[in-house]
Amino acid sequence: AQKITQTQPGMFVQEKEAVTLDCTYDTSDPSYGLFWYKQPSSGEMIFLIYQGSYDQQNATEGRYSLNFQKARKSANLVISASQLGDSAMYFCAMREPDNYGQNFVFGPGTRLSVLP
Amino acid sequence: SAVISQKPSRDICQRGTSLTIQCQVDSQVTMMFWYRQQPGQSLTLIATANQGSEATYESGFVIDKFPISRPNLTFSTLTVSNMSPEDSSIYLCSVGIGVSSYNEQFFGPGTRLTVL
Repeated sequence: AQKITQTQPGMFVQEKEAVTLDCTYDTSDPSYGLFWYKQPSSGEMIFLIYQGSYDQQNATEGRYSLNFQKARKSANLVISASQLGDSAMYFCAMREPDNYGQNFVFGPGTRLSVLP
Repeated sequence: SAVISQKPSRDICQRGTSLTIQCQVDSQVTMMFWYRQQPGQSLTLIATANQGSEATYESGFVIDKFPISRPNLTFSTLTVSNMSPEDSSIYLCSVGIGVSSYNEQFFGPGTRLTVL
């Protein structure tokens, strides 16, 4: 079964508008971490935001915020005031403990295109 | 944060040969990770490299094919052995930074490997 699901293979947004990228996850462990990364065409992976399973508040980092709904097992990324430079692949990832210390799984990604 | 460099940044190799990828971090880290990203795909964890112990491999990856070294807290190597065209991918190293190593995960710029 997929641990991380990103149902939007591609998204378009108008410059300066807000956009939400969906992410749902599957785990039975109460302790886990959720991450969002941006991968531009250059290939580097850029860390955007982190949410711990025990965090009471939604994580925010500048224009990025994470809409964490624990009961629904969703961790959607919200990008406010989109910029042309936001065009990239976005990956949701989860870390949960396993026998070796941790297991890190990425979703299939969403390609975001920001239109001028 | 952490600054991570990888060498080489890209390479084109012949079938049957081996390539060793180096990963250098600007600070001491406990855990380093190696990922593979096949063309158009998401990231897949190959193995976790802890200093002073054998690397732990994920399902589908074996030490004979992907031997890993971790001689100190700032350096690791991944070797892709007896390469075939199916090994053409981006290979990324990453490190965990934070109190629990869950809080932030940083990636190197990646090594783009093409096997002919």
